[in-house]
Amino acid sequence: GENVEQHPSTLSVQEGDSAVIKCTYSDSASNYFPWYKQELGKRPQLIIDIRSNVGEKKDQRIAVTLNKTAKHFSLHITETQPEDSAVYFCAASYNNNDMRFGAGTRLTVKP
Amino acid sequence: DVKVTQSSRYLVKRTGEKVFLECVQDMDHENMFWYRQDPGLGLRLIYFSYDVKMKEKGDIPEGYSVSREKKERFSLILESASTNQTSMYLCASSLDMGQGLTYEQYFGPGTRLTVT
Repeated sequence: GENVEQHPSTLSVQEGDSAVIKCTYSDSASNYFPWYKQELGKRPQLIIDIRSNVGEKKDQRIAVTLNKTAKHFSLHITETQPEDSAVYFCAASYNNNDMRFGAGTRLTVKP
Repeated sequence: DVKVTQSSRYLVKRTGEKVFLECVQDMDHENMFWYRQDPGLGLRLIYFSYDVKMKEKGDIPEGYSVSREKKERFSLILESASTNQTSMYLCASSLDMGQGLTYEQYFGPGTRLTVT
């Protein structure tokens, strides 16, 4: 089955700096790669996703890149703000029932 | 507004008790999932269901069972709770329009279960 590894496990940046979180996956058949943000005490919520027919996707300050050959994808957050502080999870899926999550990255943005 | 609800936010049970966790979604989603979330381990899939009365094991099904009698409701059952089942349990649902495409999973608020 799919195995997703996520790095780093913790990340601390100064407000205004960029943050990058990386994930690798094992199943070359995976074709959907979402990123979820979980604020303290709240449910995970989708912030951006990418499908395997696209190499990059942007939404304001966040972007995701996908390298299918290397089987890795990354989340990029620019101009970080304190409200970006949360745990971020990547995931990879081949079909609707087979999504596997990374272990999470705790991002802290220091004012 | 999309909504997934779970029956309890916090639950304390004793070792050996039978525990029921319920999840309800109002989006007419075909797929429903149960995960447990532990620090450093992310979200691990326990069971999922792609239709009423249908279920599939995830990565960690041991000690759990599920029931889906109605499309909107998916229950997780701990037959005999043990201390190593103390965790945060998250339910999720997603659309299935066939064609092998995956869609966003919507999560419930979670149930923090403590087994003493």
